[in-house]
Amino acid sequence: AQSVAQPEDQVNVAEGNPLTVKCTYSVSGNPYLFWYVQYPNRGLQFLLKYITGDNLVKGSYGFEAEFNKSQTSFHLKKPSALVSDSALYFCAVRDPILTGGGNKLTFGTGTQLKVEL
Amino acid sequence: DTEVTQTPKHLVMGMTNKKSLKCEQHMGHRAMYWYKQKAKKPPELMFVYSYEKLSINESVPSRFSPECPNSSLLNLHLHALQPEDSALYLCASSQARAGAQETQYFGPGTRLLVL
Repeated sequence: AQSVAQPEDQVNVAEGNPLTVKCTYSVSGNPYLFWYVQYPNRGLQFLLKYITGDNLVKGSYGFEAEFNKSQTSFHLKKPSALVSDSALYFCAVRDPILTGGGNKLTFGTGTQLKVEL
Repeated sequence: DTEVTQTPKHLVMGMTNKKSLKCEQHMGHRAMYWYKQKAKKPPELMFVYSYEKLSINESVPSRFSPECPNSSLLNLHLHALQPEDSALYLCASSQARAGAQETQYFGPGTRLLVL
C-alpha cells in the first residue's frame, strides 16, 4: 500500500529564514507525489507535484520540493519564509490509477507551519 | 482557471433534516470527489465519480448520498446525520483519463454542523 509520513506535527520558523517541511514516502512502483497547503477554514490549494524528471520541482508562491529516491523523501522548501506562509501543509501520494478513471490520493497527517516575526 | 466552487459555505442541520451540498467546476474535468475533513486532520475520501458514474464508495454510511447530474456538477445529499458527521466537506475535481497523473483541485469546502 502507498503511504506518506510527515514526521513533524509543527514547524516553527522565523520570517526570512529558510523553511523545510518533511515528507517521506513508501510506494510500489513509481511515486507520484504532491504538496497541498490549507489555510484556516479553507480548502486545499495545490502547490506542486513530482511525476518524473528533475528532482527539484518548483511550485506556487516560491515553494519548491526536492525528490530524493535513495532517501524516499519529498521535502518541501522555501528559501525565505513569510508570515503569510503559516498554514497546514499536506504531502500526498497518488495510489495506482483507478480502473474507471480518476485517481486516489493518500495524504500524510499534515504539518502545521508557523512563521513568526 | 482552476476553480471549484461549493455551496453553501456553512450549514447547520438537525439530525432529522434533509439537506444537500453542491459542487461545481468548469475545467472540463471528468472525475469529481467528495472528502470529509475533521479539524487538523487530512481529508478522508468518501466518493469518486468518473464520467458521471460512481467508481468508488469508501464504505460511507447510506445517510450520505452522492449524485452527479452532469459533468460539471456534484451533489451530496444528507439525511438523518449524526453529530459526529460535523466536519468540513471538500469537493475536488481532476482529469479522469486512465493513466493520467492529474492534479486534484479542491473547492473551499462546506462547514457542516449537525445538532
